[in-house]
Amino acid sequence: EVQLVESGGGLVQPGGSLRLSCAASGFSFSDYAMSWVRQAPGKGLEWVSVISGFGTYTNYPDSVKGRFTISRDTSKNTLYLEMNSLRDEDTAVYYCAKCLGVSSGGYAPDHWGQGTLVTVSS
Amino acid sequence: EVVMTQSPATLSVSPGERATLSCRASQSIKSNLGWYQQKPGQAPRLVIHGASTRATGIPARFSGSGSGTEFTLTISSLQSEDFAVYYCHQYNNWPLTFGGGTKVEMK
Repeated sequence: EVQLVESGGGLVQPGGSLRLSCAASGFSFSDYAMSWVRQAPGKGLEWVSVISGFGTYTNYPDSVKGRFTISRDTSKNTLYLEMNSLRDEDTAVYYCAKCLGVSSGGYAPDHWGQGTLVTVSS
Repeated sequence: EVVMTQSPATLSVSPGERATLSCRASQSIKSNLGWYQQKPGQAPRLVIHGASTRATGIPARFSGSGSGTEFTLTISSLQSEDFAVYYCHQYNNWPLTFGGGTKVEMK
């Protein structure tokens, strides 16, 4: 059974940094791309980042590009999201998600963690 | 950026009735379209991928159709557990984008 467990969320001041982690189990971690998707309180879903199976390819929307960095450690079956220069509008539940495939065409999330809340506020 | 537009925003349906949800892409995304179900306080759940392929464990009453720019999710006979918000998601172009959601509520 696929399991994804996020951690690292919390309260941070504007301009601050936070690192999210996602422990994955139940599948061959390096065989699948992984994503982060966020959801602001009462709002819809927003894709935040994706990383290919072996971590050689990453992509981000303009809203976080240059501030967020996705990475993965295949030896630990763990996905990370390093978030810098945080803004009020980054406040959201952040979901870790396993993708359908390893690369292009397979980036749709098919399994999701329960999410971790990041609150950016002074 | 590919804009995904879902309609209606809210759909009021009685149990046992058919529900039809629409999703339109601002440009062609071929069949790289997924549908997700989200209940309050829960993570999204994949229902359909590739525009028409049911995800593992999804009942046959869920079906997806369409390609290019027009897509439909149909729930043939709504059960109580199907009342939720449904999002479409394109994974053909960067940045990946989601629609704003359709809330399926009990009539």
